[in-house]
Amino acid sequence: GENVEQHPSTLSVQEGDSAVIKCTYSDSASNYFPWYKQELGKGPQLIIDIRSNVGEKKDQRIAVTLNKTAKHFSLHITETQPEDSAVYFCAASTTGYNNNDMRFGAGTRLTVKP
Amino acid sequence: GAVVSQHPSRVICKSGTSVKIECRSLDFQATTMFWYRQFPKQSLMLMATSNEGSKATYEQGVEKDKFLINHASLTLSTLTVTSAHPEDSSFYICSAQNRGALNTEAFFGQGTRLTVV
Repeated sequence: GENVEQHPSTLSVQEGDSAVIKCTYSDSASNYFPWYKQELGKGPQLIIDIRSNVGEKKDQRIAVTLNKTAKHFSLHITETQPEDSAVYFCAASTTGYNNNDMRFGAGTRLTVKP
Repeated sequence: GAVVSQHPSRVICKSGTSVKIECRSLDFQATTMFWYRQFPKQSLMLMATSNEGSKATYEQGVEKDKFLINHASLTLSTLTVTSAHPEDSSFYICSAQNRGALNTEAFFGQGTRLTVV
């Protein structure tokens, strides 16, 4: 089955700096890669996703890059703000009928210091 | 994005009792709902997948008689933790998906913190 590894487990940056979180996956059939932000005591919220036919996607301060050959994808947050502090999870799955194969990384606790 | 409401957000129960958690899709038809369990500082572990009108499919190691899942309508799935014990204390999260839509994105509820005393 799919195995998703995420690094680093914790990340502390100064406000205004950039943050990068990296994930690798094992199943070459995976072609949907979402990123979730989870605030304390809440469920995960999708912040950006990318599909395998795209190498990069950007939404304001957030961008995701995908390298299918190397089977890794990364989340980039620029101009970080204190409200970006949360736990971020990457995930990988195959698109199509069954989404129950989605597997999550272990999470990265991001702290943005003012 | 679509809204998934989970209730209750927190529950404390006595050991041996049962607890029901509801997951509702408020503005779309959820053909499929997923139930996850999350331990402190850990990732989400899929417990089961439920399709409307059929029996849930449980992941390996998840006791189906302990974690009863019902998905009787396209907007509601319930997870009942039966005869709860302290080791069942955890954060339970549901997500809902509309497989009839072009986008197979799953939307998460806000989670339920279960504490068994």
